[in-house]
Amino acid sequence: DIQMTQSPSTLSASVGDRVTITCRASESINTWLAWYQQKPGRAPKLLISKASDLESGVPSRFSGSGFGTEFTLTISSLQPDDFATYFCQQYNSYFALSFGGGTKVEIK
Amino acid sequence: QVHLVQSGAEVKKPGASVKVSCKTSGYTFTGYHVHWVRQAPGQGLEWMGWINPKNGDTIYAQRFQGRVTMTRDASINTAYMALTRLKSDDTAVYYCARYTLGLGTNFWGQGTLVTVSS
Repeated sequence: DIQMTQSPSTLSASVGDRVTITCRASESINTWLAWYQQKPGRAPKLLISKASDLESGVPSRFSGSGFGTEFTLTISSLQPDDFATYFCQQYNSYFALSFGGGTKVEIK
Repeated sequence: QVHLVQSGAEVKKPGASVKVSCKTSGYTFTGYHVHWVRQAPGQGLEWMGWINPKNGDTIYAQRFQGRVTMTRDASINTAYMALTRLKSDDTAVYYCARYTLGLGTNFWGQGTLVTVSS
């Protein structure tokens, strides 16, 4: 199975900060990587697919990049609505999905 | 619009079984795999497996093999996930999600809390 390692697990930041979250795959997944945002008591929401494709309606301050085993999610200017937990997910394998451990973005 | 609506919260005793339903609407049910993902309190997301609603084919995560069964009833556009021999660490919110080729799991149910307690 493909293991996903996400860092950091917690991130303290202020409104307006630039924030970067990293996700590493245990083997190459091409660009078959998605990023999700989750708020307490809610289901995850897809933000980015295929490593860098922004979902419709997602603010342009969110961006993704990477290929193979190294990926990043960047929030260019953190807004109050962005304090949440973020997960990466690989979907390269037809037989199994897997998720990173999550990054909680907290108010500094 | 695409909707996935799950059944309500359950409380079960250790050793019991649970069956969670996921009623879909707004799309062709047989055209997309349905995945199941769970999240223990305060923890991350754990993939459990998927079902192909077109033919009933399933793939389960190894750690759930022998305890999980995913089924569907295409006549009512509903997928099901059953988990047997429940333990306290099966306490979690269970989600169904529609998988779209090339995009991942882009539509999710609201989640079903399953509490396992004696």
